[in-house]
Amino acid sequence: NAGVTQTPKFRILKIGQSMTLQCTQDMNHNYMYWYRQDPGMGLKLIYYSVGAGITDKGEVPNGYNVSRSTTEDFPLRLELAAPSQTSVYFCASSYPSLGRPAYEQYFGPGTRLTVT
Amino acid sequence: GQQVMQIPQYQHVQEGEDFTTYCNSSTTLSNIQWYKQRPGGHPVFLIQLVKSGEVKKQKRLTFQFGEAKKNSSLHITATQTTDVGTYFCAGTRRGSQGNLIFGKGTKLSVKP
Repeated sequence: NAGVTQTPKFRILKIGQSMTLQCTQDMNHNYMYWYRQDPGMGLKLIYYSVGAGITDKGEVPNGYNVSRSTTEDFPLRLELAAPSQTSVYFCASSYPSLGRPAYEQYFGPGTRLTVT
Repeated sequence: GQQVMQIPQYQHVQEGEDFTTYCNSSTTLSNIQWYKQRPGGHPVFLIQLVKSGEVKKQKRLTFQFGEAKKNSSLHITATQTTDVGTYFCAGTRRGSQGNLIFGKGTKLSVKP
């Protein structure tokens, strides 16, 4: 199993450009997440999905959009990139089941994005 | 909103010394997880604590969950250079969908 994969690893965007960060997991996990990590900070939840066709906002959703058409893929779309979106983006997946606590999250290697 | 506070932010130790990081929540947690992130890497799950007063050990690492389920700690005995990285606690609020709220982490450096 490859686990959680993310592409690209690095990207430099100009202000106002758009891009999609790709995330794929091959563990058949139903929960998937997008986080951003700013220097010296913890991870902040952008969006999450509890299954194909279902997405919801996290703590910092503004400026981002997501979709979940399949169990495996959870792309994150940045429209009109701004310098404040310079960060490291991590995708994660997990497999909580009803009545049990949250399971461990498996993280991808991250995408380092710079907006100038 | 709910916060998970973690201290200290940085810790520099000599190899062989002990290390402890503390995590406090403003509200009662359903469970708490600990992750380690090596420099330039991604967070990796270490452990999950669920029960009030729970203590778990992994070799030189000891994890505790407070009686009130509002605080937790990670203690490393006799640190090694391989322990270098940032340690994050992450809690799940009761009644939530299970989304984790991460502390800001404690960055550990170990001098050989």
